[in-house]
Amino acid sequence: DVVMTQTPVSLSVAIGQPASISCKSSQSLVGTSGKTYLNWLLQRPGQSPKRLIYLVSKLDSGIPDRFSGSGSETDFTLKISRVEADDLGVYYCLQGTHFPHTFGAGTKLELK
Amino acid sequence: QVQLKETGPGLVQPTQTLSITCTVSGFSLTSYYMQWVRQTPGKGLEWMGFIRSGGSTEYNSEFKSRLSISRDTSKNQVFLKMNSLKTEDTGVYYCARNYFDYWGQGVMVTVSS
Repeated sequence: DVVMTQTPVSLSVAIGQPASISCKSSQSLVGTSGKTYLNWLLQRPGQSPKRLIYLVSKLDSGIPDRFSGSGSETDFTLKISRVEADDLGVYYCLQGTHFPHTFGAGTKLELK
Repeated sequence: QVQLKETGPGLVQPTQTLSITCTVSGFSLTSYYMQWVRQTPGKGLEWMGFIRSGGSTEYNSEFKSRLSISRDTSKNQVFLKMNSLKTEDTGVYYCARNYFDYWGQGVMVTVSS
């Protein structure tokens, strides 16, 4: 199975400051179609996960452009340019290229 | 608008079978994949499997032959059945659409005698 390693495990950030989360996969996530099925999800406390970014860098509808995704092959990053209170929760990367699809263990974003 | 809602038993005894229904609205099951994901204290988020828009399925081998995913397109429902439950299967079970663009609220399942 593809192992998704997220760092850091937790992140304490002041409102208005930037944040960055890394996700590394144990093998390339480039599929046979040439597409890279790497998603970023946010799970707010008491809620189900919500997809923020798909195909590495495409923002879902309604997601502010403070969020951005980048990377390729095995190395991916989620960046928040200016953290807001609504951004708090646990962020997960998810690969959908290989079976079984696998999730990172999560990064908890807290307010400083 | 797109909505997904899981319904299930809440409490299941060890060795018994879990049955969860995901009822969807706002889109057609014949146009989208439907995924099942669970979140357990021991393993976090785990992909369980999906049913394609054409009706074929793909499963996580982790669940071996315990898992079955099916659907009734006339009722806009997708079903998860998993047998031989263990206490480690306790967690929240989610259905999600396609490439995880929409998720249900989840249903908490406790496996206990």
